[in-house]
Amino acid sequence: AQSVTQPDIHITVSEGASLELRCNYSYGATPYLFWYVQSPGQGLQLLLKYFSGDTLVQGIKGFEAEFKRSQSSFNLRKPSVHWSDAAEYFCAVRIQGAQKLVFGQGTRLTINP
Amino acid sequence: DSGVTQTPKHLITATGQRVTLRCSPRSGDLSVYWYQQSLDQGLQFLIQYYNGEERAKGNILERFSAQQFPDLHSELNLSSLELGDSALYFCASNPLGRMDTQYFGPGTRLTVL
Repeated sequence: AQSVTQPDIHITVSEGASLELRCNYSYGATPYLFWYVQSPGQGLQLLLKYFSGDTLVQGIKGFEAEFKRSQSSFNLRKPSVHWSDAAEYFCAVRIQGAQKLVFGQGTRLTINP
Repeated sequence: DSGVTQTPKHLITATGQRVTLRCSPRSGDLSVYWYQQSLDQGLQFLIQYYNGEERAKGNILERFSAQQFPDLHSELNLSSLELGDSALYFCASNPLGRMDTQYFGPGTRLTVL
């Protein structure tokens, strides 16, 4: 079955530390890939997306993600987190030709001062 | 602010009742998507409308229905409500039918008592 896996339910990092959130997908072909962030009480905001081309994509708020076809992964990174990055992060995929986004279960990020 | 609006923000009702959630897409967006976010199921696609017509269907219960009106706003109708229908319901829209990025509204939190 097609799926998106975010192995880490909850991650805690210190402010200023680097961050990597993992995302793996299981599809036959390369899907379109997305990372969204959900702050408490808010909707989903798009951080970045990958369709094709350069496998390292830059997003908003200093985030980047790298697509690795061999590992079916699309991990999100940030070199130095800020307290305002505390939120829930969702990886999503869309199969080419399909309409819907399929989301992972999300990773809750807590920032220690 | 994504430009997608949803009303109401919160809704509390009783089992067996019927409610209507409303979504106004971004100006000019023709596609509207509905998603349900619950603790046990995560974020799941329910249904998509494009310019007034149903385009794709996901894990939407028969008790739920949706429509998109000529002014492009959409309504999600939930009937014979059960405790398990308590969730956050998101609406998203696409610019002019393009399929790459979905912009999400702030959501409607439904509580069924």
